[in-house]
Amino acid sequence: NAGVTQTPKFQVLKTGQSMTLQCAQDMNHEYMSWYRQDPGMGLRLIHYSVGAGITDQGEVPNGYNVSRSTTEDFPLRLLSAAPSQTSVYFCASGRSGNSPLHFGNGTRLTVT
Amino acid sequence: KNQVEQSPQSLIILEGKNCTLQCNYTVSPFSNLRWYKQDTGRGPVSLTIMTFSENTKSNGRYTATLDADTKQSSLHITASQLSDSASYICVVSAGGGADGLTFGKGTHLIIQP
Repeated sequence: NAGVTQTPKFQVLKTGQSMTLQCAQDMNHEYMSWYRQDPGMGLRLIHYSVGAGITDQGEVPNGYNVSRSTTEDFPLRLLSAAPSQTSVYFCASGRSGNSPLHFGNGTRLTVT
Repeated sequence: KNQVEQSPQSLIILEGKNCTLQCNYTVSPFSNLRWYKQDTGRGPVSLTIMTFSENTKSNGRYTATLDADTKQSSLHITASQLSDSASYICVVSAGGGADGLTFGKGTHLIIQP
């Protein structure tokens, strides 16, 4: 049982480059979400989805795009990378209500 | 604004000792409170979820308490082990989905042999 799989684990980008962080889950969860984790701060919500074809913005959506064409996949796109986007990115999935979130092991992104 | 405050920021204890981590919140409405454990370089893993009506919930050597009146929760770790070294994150849900979660900054716990 793979759970939530994120790729790549590490990435270095130059300012202005674009890339896609991949996230896949095999638990048939409706909810999927993307967070960034920065030193001294709690996890912050970037974008989330409540089902295939439905996405919405979180707390810090600027500079990021998402799509949800299938239940399993929820990629995060950086349109034009900036040094402020240097962070660790976590994807999570879960059912609605009081169910726990299942997190991937993160992608560590550095933008120079 | 919904907030979750955790204390202490960091804690060092000797292996075998007990410890208690604190979480105070100002989230409204309240749906549930969650504790996660995050090992270095890994994603958070759920320890417990408590709703309004639950005062105590255990998961092995981890026991979480909730006082919804004072809006406080604690996570007690009994007989600590080296593998307990991690960050512990308190998360409060106001209901709904991901947009209803407020994350604390975490307590960084180090267990020394």
